[in-house]
Amino acid sequence: GAVVSQHPSRVICKSGTSVKIECRSLDFQATTMFWYRQFPKQSLMLMATSNEGSKATYEQGVEKDKFLINHASLTLSTLTVTSAHPEDSSFYICSALDRTLSYNEQFFGPGTRLTVL
Amino acid sequence: GNSVTQMEGPVTLSEEAFLTINCTYTATGYPSLFWYVQYPGEGLQLLLKATKADDKGSNKGFEATYRKETTSFHLEKGSVQVSDSAVYFCALSSGGSYIPTFGRGTSLIVHP
Repeated sequence: GAVVSQHPSRVICKSGTSVKIECRSLDFQATTMFWYRQFPKQSLMLMATSNEGSKATYEQGVEKDKFLINHASLTLSTLTVTSAHPEDSSFYICSALDRTLSYNEQFFGPGTRLTVL
Repeated sequence: GNSVTQMEGPVTLSEEAFLTINCTYTATGYPSLFWYVQYPGEGLQLLLKATKADDKGSNKGFEATYRKETTSFHLEKGSVQVSDSAVYFCALSSGGSYIPTFGRGTSLIVHP
């Protein structure tokens, strides 16, 4: 299947700093990528849909100025957590949609563990 | 709207036991159904899928059959291993939406 990578896999930062997380589709072009957040022992919560060349679509309750998304190319989307605070600590997972497939399937990255001190 | 209901965990089994994790769904149209697995500290991996009624998805000894009449997609494995310990998510996508609807996940713990 298609491969999606995330970088970094783990990041620890101080409160007030900004953190950028990259999501790359390695062997296919992804016009659409998704960003999820996962709290311990819970399911994935969709944060936003990232479309190449246009503004991201945020889910209700997600602050777009807090979680900046840039999808500048067909293989890269970035999520920047601005002015991070301890409550932003979480596991962030991206996924990419392969539209060449006949069915709707997303390919998930391995996740990024963010810890804000 | 779409929804997925999974049995609550954790499910605790001994090695070589039979596994069933129930999943039922509600959806508009004809959804595609998925099982994802998440190992500790990792992202989600697609375990298996079925795109139409009566299809059986299978992978690594796991199986699930798309049952439209009962709107179910139960995950089964005949003999679990310790390495199967993980969280399993049932999901669906339907219509024009590419965004899957996930169940809450079921934690599986397999003891030697």
